[in-house]
Amino acid sequence: LAKTTQPISMDSYEGQEVNITCSHNNIATNDYITWYQQFPSQGPRFIIQGYKTKVTNEVASLFIPADRKSSTLSLPRVSLSDTAVYYCLVGDRTSGTYKYIFGTGTRLKVLA
Amino acid sequence: EPEVTQTPSHQVTQMGQEVILRCVPISNHLYFYWYRQILGQKVEFLVSFYNNEISEKSEIFDDQFSVERPDGSNFTLKIRSTKLEDSAMYFCASMGDSLAKNIQYFGAGTRLSVL
Repeated sequence: LAKTTQPISMDSYEGQEVNITCSHNNIATNDYITWYQQFPSQGPRFIIQGYKTKVTNEVASLFIPADRKSSTLSLPRVSLSDTAVYYCLVGDRTSGTYKYIFGTGTRLKVLA
Repeated sequence: EPEVTQTPSHQVTQMGQEVILRCVPISNHLYFYWYRQILGQKVEFLVSFYNNEISEKSEIFDDQFSVERPDGSNFTLKIRSTKLEDSAMYFCASMGDSLAKNIQYFGAGTRLSVL
């Protein structure tokens, strides 16, 4: 399974766009990239998933370059409630038995 | 929106006692998982379960742990003889039946405190 590397922490102000980049140099052909958000004492919450190029949903965008060795989660106009830990995960979506290997994640702090 | 539910939210037990953590996965999901998170640390994979058998387990998932799907809705994690170091948040996750959209959905967790 591909190992991921993310910044340990980031600070931002309310209303700003936040971009969190994840490195996954040894991503495999069948691997998909998934981002989760976790608040203290809660389970990880799915944000977005992608394979290549750009994916957008109602809460975030995910940018994946052609070589797929990194990805960037973009949160538009963050609010205080976006303060959380964000995890980038890669896994083989063709197998239902795959496990997620969580890294330390990026601790985002949104300031007023 | 369908969700994974876990009970109890907090379980306190004495060292050496058996505990059973319960999970109700999303109803049409076929793949089930347990993870744990020790306070202040990262989320760690324990076990995956499909078609009524374990698909994969980590080195953490030793003989003290077992999983079961006793009926069509529940998915349980049993720890036979708890140790102090088993104190953690335990998360259940489930994944759908379509390989075209494999996203694991997590429950809110059970906080296990071993005294």
